[in-house]
Order: sequence, then C-alpha cells, then structure tokens
Amino acid sequence: SAVISQKPSRDICQRGTSLTIQCQVDSQVTMMFWYRQQPGQSLTLIATANQGSEATYESGFVIDKFPISRPNLTFSTLTVSNMSPEDSSIYLCSVQRTNNEQFFGPGTRLTVL
Amino acid sequence: DQQVKQNSPSLSVQEGRISILNCDYTNSMFDYFLWYKKYPAEGPTFLISISSIKDKNEDGRFTVFLNKSAKHLSLHIVPSQPGDSAVYFCAASRGGSNYKLTFGKGTLLTVNP
Repeated sequence: SAVISQKPSRDICQRGTSLTIQCQVDSQVTMMFWYRQQPGQSLTLIATANQGSEATYESGFVIDKFPISRPNLTFSTLTVSNMSPEDSSIYLCSVQRTNNEQFFGPGTRLTVL
Repeated sequence: DQQVKQNSPSLSVQEGRISILNCDYTNSMFDYFLWYKKYPAEGPTFLISISSIKDKNEDGRFTVFLNKSAKHLSLHIVPSQPGDSAVYFCAASRGGSNYKLTFGKGTLLTVNP
C-alpha cells in the first residue's frame, strides 16, 4: 500500500474563488488520479496526472476549471477554479499500484457557499 | 449512463451472519473488478479484487464471486462484524494500460451487534 496525505482535509469557500488541494505520497509513483464524489454519488474520475506530461481529463472535466500540476513523482495538486455551490464535493487523489489497484488519500471535503 | 450499478443503497445484517453485497456492470470490456470500503471522513480502502479469468477470490472473511455471463459480482463477508459497517464501493476497469476505475454508487452496510 501507499501512505497518501491530502491538504486541506476540508474547507468552506466563497463562490467565485479557487482552492488548491495538495496530494503527497510517501513513495514515487508514475500515475496519480484525481476523483470527485458529489453527495450521494459514486466516485468520478476527473483526470489522470503523470509526471512530466499534461494531465488527461475525462469527459465533462476541463483544464481551465480543474488545473492540475504534477511537479515530481510524489506530489500533485488539483485546483478547483471559480467555484460554485455545485463544486461542493469530496475530492480524492489516488495512486496506481499493481493489478489495477488504486490507493486513495483521505479526501478533501469542499463546501462552496 | 451508469456502467457499474449497486442497486441496494443500504443493507443491514446481524453480527455473525453473512453479508452479501451485489454489483452489476454493463460494459463487457471490463476485465478487472475491485471492492473498496469507505468509513466516514476517510478515503476508500482497497478490500479485494478479481480478474475476469477467475470466478472466485477469497481473502479471509471476504470472498468475491464473479459471474461474467450475468455481468454480476458479489462480495460475501462472513462472519460479519460491527467493524465492517461502512460504505462498500464496487469498481471496474478495462485493465491493460487503461487504469481508469468506474465506480458504483456504493452500499451502506450496517452490522448490528
């Protein structure tokens, strides 16, 4: 397994502002992922972040809204830009291990007023 | 289009009895399936997985069964313990170089003492 930490663990933000979420892993990993879990919904993949290349976004998610950085093999950030109440979710990062198994961070609970 | 479906939002069982959580999928390209457990305020924790070349995988009290013809899998927990009370997510992937996980909406399991 991997030890994954996220900052902040939760935040309450005003509409129109941006929040950057950090994800730190205790070992080097090639693939990191960012997910969103809206209330009562399943986890939905936002994007895949590989070090040294631009993130790959899933349908319905765009870089202008969710810019991602991946400066090295143990760290990534996700920014939620120009937030609206619909962005209120839990945001999770995960890392790929063997056999398609992903290990998740504790999540960041975001509330947008 | 929900490609992974968990039709039971909740399940309640008595301690010591068997818990059976069900999951259906529609995409025949899925070839790897995973179960995750999630406690409140924590990220999902990997529990057990199964490849499409198998129909059963067992790990202690947890067994996953896969019925490819029915596109159905189930997680059996026996005996159930109060500490098993959590939300259980079923996830599927296409394997190979495609690591994207598609999740169901989860089933809240409550194990009563």
